[in-house]
Amino acid sequence: GAGVSQTPSNKVTEKGKYVELRCDPISGHTALYWYRQSLGQGPEFLIYFQGTGAADDSGLPNDRFFAVRPEGSVSTLKIQRTERGDSAVYLCASRGQGNTGELFFGEGSRLTVL
Amino acid sequence: AQSVTQPDIHITVSEGASLELRCNYSYGATPYLFWYVQSPGQGLQLLLKYFSGDTLVQGIKGFEAELKRSQSSFNLRKPSVHWSDAAEYFCAVGAPGFQKLVFGTGTRLLVSP
Repeated sequence: GAGVSQTPSNKVTEKGKYVELRCDPISGHTALYWYRQSLGQGPEFLIYFQGTGAADDSGLPNDRFFAVRPEGSVSTLKIQRTERGDSAVYLCASRGQGNTGELFFGEGSRLTVL
Repeated sequence: AQSVTQPDIHITVSEGASLELRCNYSYGATPYLFWYVQSPGQGLQLLLKYFSGDTLVQGIKGFEAELKRSQSSFNLRKPSVHWSDAAEYFCAVGAPGFQKLVFGTGTRLLVSP
């Protein structure tokens, strides 16, 4: 597709469950980012991929959060043993070659943990 | 580490009036600077960006921003606001080398008739 695609757009789960959020970046974009946006806050960096490898995962809040990008395209953010505090909009962005390109954001996956 | 401060949580402007949204950054040198807009239910859209050169940057939808290094500010301006400009605006900073962006907490713009 033309833009960054994220699925599902909405996810409601119960505390303690496992969740996967998917991001399909713009074709050919080598860099992929995950951000988390809580209500009334700006996007908070989670992890950044360059190709298949995680170049910077310093924003992952704890070991319940994990992300993969096995073929250098689609990425999945995985959250184990979800907690109510994980409720937020999870944003994915991609960027093309070079260090001065803009980040293109998807519309996000809204996660609600009951 | 980089940081961004947007001191105004929300601002109300009359349609047709001018707009200035404030952004202050903290970084050891001049970073890369961005303004993004987020409308309800929409993804973040880039309005403009500064990497180097002219400190007055023109963006889409009639927006501009000016880098003032002495004040560590990158304020967003528009001479005449339209009702469709009502949205959340985010300032962001990135280090040269561009590993990631750090966002401010945002300013919600309300436009009154």
